[in-house]
Amino acid sequence: DTGVSQNPRHKITKRGQNVTFRCDPISEHNRLYWYRQTLGQGPEFLTYFQNEAQLEKSRLLSDRFSAERPKGSFSTLEIQRTEQGDSAMYLCASAETEAFFGQGTRLTVV
Amino acid sequence: QQPVQSPQAVILREGEDAVINCSSSKALYSVHWYRQKHGEAPVFLMILLKGGEQKGHDKISASFNEKKQQSSLYLTASQLSYSGTYFCGTEIPSNTGKLIFGQGTTLQVKP
Repeated sequence: DTGVSQNPRHKITKRGQNVTFRCDPISEHNRLYWYRQTLGQGPEFLTYFQNEAQLEKSRLLSDRFSAERPKGSFSTLEIQRTEQGDSAMYLCASAETEAFFGQGTRLTVV
Repeated sequence: QQPVQSPQAVILREGEDAVINCSSSKALYSVHWYRQKHGEAPVFLMILLKGGEQKGHDKISASFNEKKQQSSLYLTASQLSYSGTYFCGTEIPSNTGKLIFGQGTTLQVKP
């Protein structure tokens, strides 16, 4: 068990560019979550997968955000046409009952 | 919908005790507690399911009062390693496991 792995750890991008993050969950976990965390705040829910099915998406999530989990294994989160307000830490977590978080991808949009 | 944590910040000396509270306006299925150190991922501490149970390991324990929709985290004889930001994550009955996190309580333990 190597825990939840996220790549890249850091990403700096120019406004308007597209970015994609990857999450490799703990192998036996069916549930996978994406959260976003800004400085001084708790993680904010973005979306949830049960195996390969995306079962819930936050109403706060704009259409520029999309996530996939092909074959119920790793997951990707893509942000299109990035904006400065997208700058945050993007956390992935996998769970059976309790959720275990990855180290996150810190996105900076300049 | 976001749970409210109190206090926002605590400064302790090693060996002192602390209590962190988490209060929700929604009926809860469970409460999850995490600790996050600067620049690191949140680390799972414990989960409490509805039923008013109390859990603990080592010198950290927690309680969950389902009727009051409140949970408390108890840190006993604090150690330097306890420093960090503590978050409660609340789960409403939905079977998704989605957590809504509080704004966090920053704990600093000094020698």
